[in-house]
Amino acid sequence: EVQLVESGGGLVQPGGSLRLSCAASGFTFSRCWMIWVRQAPGKGLEWVANINQDGSEKYYVDSVKGRFTISRDNAKNSLYLQMNSLRAEDTAVYYCAEINEGWGQGTLVTVSS
Amino acid sequence: DIVMTQTPLSSPVTLGQPASISCRSSQSLVHSDGNTYLSWLQQRPGQPPRLLIYKISNRFSGVPDRFSGSGAGTDFTLKISRVEAEDVGVYYCMQATQSVTFGQGTKVEIK
Repeated sequence: EVQLVESGGGLVQPGGSLRLSCAASGFTFSRCWMIWVRQAPGKGLEWVANINQDGSEKYYVDSVKGRFTISRDNAKNSLYLQMNSLRAEDTAVYYCAEINEGWGQGTLVTVSS
Repeated sequence: DIVMTQTPLSSPVTLGQPASISCRSSQSLVHSDGNTYLSWLQQRPGQPPRLLIYKISNRFSGVPDRFSGSGAGTDFTLKISRVEAEDVGVYYCMQATQSVTFGQGTKVEIK
């Protein structure tokens, strides 16, 4: 059974940092592109970043470029999102996903003073 | 960026009746590897998105066979053959051929 479990969310002040993690199991993680997607309260889905199998290719939505960094550790079957210089508009539930294998339950990030 | 346009945005349906959602992309979703990375997601109220269909027409594990996907190129459709109460929610199409983008979402509710 495919499982994707996010962690690391929480309440942070504007300008602060958080590191999200996603633990994957039930599929061959090292062979898959992985993505982070977020959903602001009451809104639709927004792609944030993706990363190829060995971590050599990384892409970001314009609004997070220079602030967020996606990475992975294939030995640990884990995906990460380092989020710096957080803004109120980054408040959302963050999901990790593999497009053909499934989605996680999400972790809530709230940026507020 | 590829723009994904869903219609309708709201779909009141009668239990046991069919429902259909259309998704159109602003350019072809055929990847250079020959695959078409068009997926359908279901998001029930208060729940995370759930993968229903991937690569146009492949049902994900555990998805009931009343859900089916079809289409090609730029035009895609999700059909529910007989709507059940548990199908209420928002449905999204998603493309991953060129970066990743989503449709606006279609709210399916019971009449």
